[in-house]
Amino acid sequence: QKEVEQNSGPLSVPEGAIASLNCTYSDRGSQSFFWYRQYSGKSPELIMFIYSNGDKEDGRFTAQLNKASQYVSLLIRDSQPSDSATYLCAVNPEQGGSEKLVFGKGTKLTVNP
Amino acid sequence: ETGVTQTPRHLVMGMTNKKSLKCEQHLGHNAMYWYKQSAKKPLELMFVYNFKEQTENNSVPSRFSPECPNSSHLFLHLHTLQPEDSALYLCASSQGGYYGYTFGSGTRLTVV
Repeated sequence: QKEVEQNSGPLSVPEGAIASLNCTYSDRGSQSFFWYRQYSGKSPELIMFIYSNGDKEDGRFTAQLNKASQYVSLLIRDSQPSDSATYLCAVNPEQGGSEKLVFGKGTKLTVNP
Repeated sequence: ETGVTQTPRHLVMGMTNKKSLKCEQHLGHNAMYWYKQSAKKPLELMFVYNFKEQTENNSVPSRFSPECPNSSHLFLHLHTLQPEDSALYLCASSQGGYYGYTFGSGTRLTVV
């Protein structure tokens, strides 16, 4: 059973702080990794993807991947109240790639003004 | 129109009704998906179509019937639903899972 685990939270940080969201996955052959942001009542929106070990930065967002530890994280610097949402980690499993993604349950983030 | 569009945005139906959800993607993707999202649960994959052929049916009850006439359109036909089927139904498309999905805006379904 391919699984993606996330701390469901809620995670609460003050405005301007760094929010750190974590995700582990079970399939060692997983190839690509995604972070989606979902506002309440809305559909998920892709905000970051990462394929290689290390860090990938995009504005205030940094995705970190460690395939040896089967761990992927998302850092949000200078957190804003508008970042308050549920963050979904998703993984494309299987060595040969798959048309399906496996999603975690999501971590609810609240940024307090 | 760009991206993935879903209609209707909201739907209230009785348990004896028949209705359909529609999804259209304008991204040239080859795969389309239906997901169900209930409160406090992770996204549940329902169906996968790749080049309009169904490649996954995730043990979904027969009261949900998908249709994919071409690579750009996907329907979910609903009949004799139960109140526990009330949820957000999301359509997504992709050019293979390696590149991630683009989701539609979803249909909020309420079964009364």
